[in-house]
Amino acid sequence: NAGVTQTPKFQVLKTGQSMTLQCAQDMNHEYMSWYRQDPGMGLRLIHYSVGAGITDQGEVPNGYNVSRSTTEDFPLRLLSAAPSQTSVYFCASRRRPGPTGYYGYTFGSGTRLTVV
Amino acid sequence: SQQGEEDPQALSIQEGENATMNCSYKTSINNLQWYRQNSGRGLVHLILIRSNEREKHSGRLRVTLDTSKKSSSLLITASRAADTASYFCAPEYGNKLVFGAGTILRVKS
Repeated sequence: NAGVTQTPKFQVLKTGQSMTLQCAQDMNHEYMSWYRQDPGMGLRLIHYSVGAGITDQGEVPNGYNVSRSTTEDFPLRLLSAAPSQTSVYFCASRRRPGPTGYYGYTFGSGTRLTVV
Repeated sequence: SQQGEEDPQALSIQEGENATMNCSYKTSINNLQWYRQNSGRGLVHLILIRSNEREKHSGRLRVTLDTSKKSSSLLITASRAADTASYFCAPEYGNKLVFGAGTILRVKS
């Protein structure tokens, strides 16, 4: 099925551990983004990419790394997990803006991360 | 912060009534988008309005944009119980799409 696939769906980490959240899309979308959502809050942008080899920081990049070696994949790495990184993480993708304008994002179903 | 701010934070209406949600933002945008999130799930894109547009329709949805007031509204007409969800506005600045805290809509049947 076409869409954005996030793995794992759930993860528990101990403080100080590192891990990678995976995100893959099969729609040939150039733009991809990572967000975190905390209870009662909207989504906050962590990092985004407008194409393979191009990444940039969002609103809350500290403690996270990304790379974009292929169009399909955009993994998010937690370098040394902290309890403050307990959150739901969403990956999203969309087509590059074209002559008719911009497009909406397609979101994955999220990864629920708990850091203890 | 460049986040959009939604108003009200929560809205409870009867099935069949209209629901209006408002959004304000701070600086010039490329476009503004609205998304819906059902409990615990990913977001679904509803509608996008470009900065040079004033109104847009999609089914029971009507979105307006006033760039002079830096505000937008989402109207859902003839609401249904299935419309119960959180609704987020997301102004786009350059290549960054930023989200507000959302409006929780409850439609009672």
